Amino acid sequence: EPEVTQTPSHQVTQMGQEVILRCVPISNHLYFYWYRQILGQKVEFLVSFYNNEISEKSEIFDDQFSVERPDGSNFTLKIRSTKLEDSAMYFCASSEGPRSGGTDTQYFGPGTRLTVL
Amino acid sequence: AQTVTQSQPEMSVQEAETVTLSCTYDTSENNYYLFWYKQPPSRQMILVIRQEAYKQQNATENRFSVNFQKAAKSFSLKISDSQLGDTAMYFCAFMKEAGAQKLVFGQGTRLTINP
Repeated sequence: EPEVTQTPSHQVTQMGQEVILRCVPISNHLYFYWYRQILGQKVEFLVSFYNNEISEKSEIFDDQFSVERPDGSNFTLKIRSTKLEDSAMYFCASSEGPRSGGTDTQYFGPGTRLTVL
Repeated sequence: AQTVTQSQPEMSVQEAETVTLSCTYDTSENNYYLFWYKQPPSRQMILVIRQEAYKQQNATENRFSVNFQKAAKSFSLKISDSQLGDTAMYFCAFMKEAGAQKLVFGQGTRLTINP
């Protein structure tokens, strides 16, 4: 069964460093998302991406964040200068997109645990 | 803006019992989708069940079923014949109708199934 994959599973970085989190969405999916979950808290939306551009972003997704689909399979989240409060689990998700009778369900990857020291 | 509320931070039941997790939401939308996701200790987010608001029939997936009350904006999850593997955090989520729409999550309910 197709699944969303994410690398690395765990990333440790120093405050102020740049990190790139990588995701490979399900191959026929058209919509891509990033969410984050600070330990013990709920899952929060960061950004959605469709047709090579951002569809929506939350207030969390400030100028330090960017997303890119550099080729036909990868979807990346870059944090330019990490802060301590960026420590969280980052989830990538993808969906087929609206279709007749469909629910546009989002399927999640296993997550990348980011630790900022 | 939409909000999702899960009023039960933690629940605990014995194996084989039935348990119901509560979820309420607030929206002015008429068409939308509701989901339950499970997050086991591995922290992966796994889809459990989904419901389209325009469907009156409650969704079921094996031992999992929902009680969707649109007028009351309530969306509870019932787990029948609970198993040890059901131990996880359960998140209720809301999505506006179609097209790159974000999921809005509740705070989660930590469910423990005891042997």
